[in-house]
Amino acid sequence: EPEVTQTPSHQVTQMGQEVILRCVPISNHLYFYWYRQILGQKVEFLVSFYNNEISEKSEIFDDQFSVERPDGSNFTLKIRSTKLEDSAMYFCASSVWDPGTEAFFGQGTRLTVV
Amino acid sequence: GENVEQHPSTLSVQEGDSAVIKCTYSDSASNYFPWYKQELGKGPQLIIDIRSNVGEKKDQRIAVTLNKTAKHFSLHITETQPEDSAVYFCAASDPNTGNQFYFGTGTSLTVIP
Repeated sequence: EPEVTQTPSHQVTQMGQEVILRCVPISNHLYFYWYRQILGQKVEFLVSFYNNEISEKSEIFDDQFSVERPDGSNFTLKIRSTKLEDSAMYFCASSVWDPGTEAFFGQGTRLTVV
Repeated sequence: GENVEQHPSTLSVQEGDSAVIKCTYSDSASNYFPWYKQELGKGPQLIIDIRSNVGEKKDQRIAVTLNKTAKHFSLHITETQPEDSAVYFCAASDPNTGNQFYFGTGTSLTVIP
């Protein structure tokens, strides 16, 4: 069964460093998303991406964040100058169509900023 | 924006009993409501969804009901099994605010053998 894969599963970084979280969406999907979940809180939308550009982003997704689809398979989330409060589980998801359609999530990357 | 509330936060049932998880939403324009199951160390897995033009949907032991007037929807799991133990999230999507999901806070379900 096709699945969304994310790497690494756990990333520890020092405050102020840049991190790149990687995702390989399901191959025939056209829409890609990043969500995050701070421990004990709701899963929150960060950004959606379609046709090589951002289609929606939340207030959380400020200039510190960027996304990219560098090739035909990978979808990345870059966090510049990480802060302690960026520590969270980051989930990538993809869907065939949009909006309001089935979205499939990866297993997540746990980011710990120290 | 949309606000999704989910209850209860924890739920324990005996194996074979039914489990019900309830969610409410605030935006009447929301029209797609998925349910996700998250097992330890894994990402959310879509288990069932419902659209606003339908009141109920069933898939084997899992069913979802939607009351658009009251703006609430529920997940029903019958004949629970230990492998149903997980965290369950409801979500809502409003096409007018793009393609993002608004999630509930999650319900940790424990099925006691």
